[in-house]
Amino acid sequence: AQSVTQLDSQVPVFEEAPVELRCNYSSSVSVYLFWYVQYPNQGLQLLLKYLSGSTLVKGINGFEAEFNKSQTSFHLRKPSVHISDTAEYFCAVTQSGGGGFKTIFGAGTRLFVKA
Amino acid sequence: DAGVTQSPTHLIKTRGQHVTLRCSPISGHKSVSWYQQVLGQGPQFIFQYYEKEERGRGNFPDRFSARQFPNYSSELNVNALLLGDSALYLCASSLVGGKNTEAFFGQGTRLTVV
Repeated sequence: AQSVTQLDSQVPVFEEAPVELRCNYSSSVSVYLFWYVQYPNQGLQLLLKYLSGSTLVKGINGFEAEFNKSQTSFHLRKPSVHISDTAEYFCAVTQSGGGGFKTIFGAGTRLFVKA
Repeated sequence: DAGVTQSPTHLIKTRGQHVTLRCSPISGHKSVSWYQQVLGQGPQFIFQYYEKEERGRGNFPDRFSARQFPNYSSELNVNALLLGDSALYLCASSLVGGKNTEAFFGQGTRLTVV
């Protein structure tokens, strides 16, 4: 079974500093990887996704992630964060089964941007 | 264009009661998935429906059931509610049922069981 591990439960960072949110996954088959953001009392919004091709994926709001197959990682990065980036971030992988699929989420990383 | 809509937004139920949560997918989307998000945790997969058939099921008890209607909207039913069922229930829709398809999430239904 696939699993997703987000290595940091909370990441405090100062405004305009760079940030990296770490994600590792376990899978024996090809995977599709996603990062979602969740603002308080909101649903999830897709930041970016890796399906195939270039291992460096660019998403919305200046975020990017790099797929590393040998290290089974999909870390999220932003070179300069803003106060408005404060939110919960979830790494996810999709898994096939029964003619459909399911998405496995990590436990989340709370990014807190300080002024 | 309307996104994924869920109703109600908030709900309070008593232990042992039954609850029905509703989800309307984005127009044209044929796949709906349900997730349970307990406070402080990531969403946990409950069901996926595609073309009105169940295509995936997570590790939830039989008290949880769902269905998808001909217009692709969906209901999640939970019987014999327990305190531990208190959570944010998220619905996501996608165009097709493939695992490489982006899912669009609704804002969720906050269920509190007392």
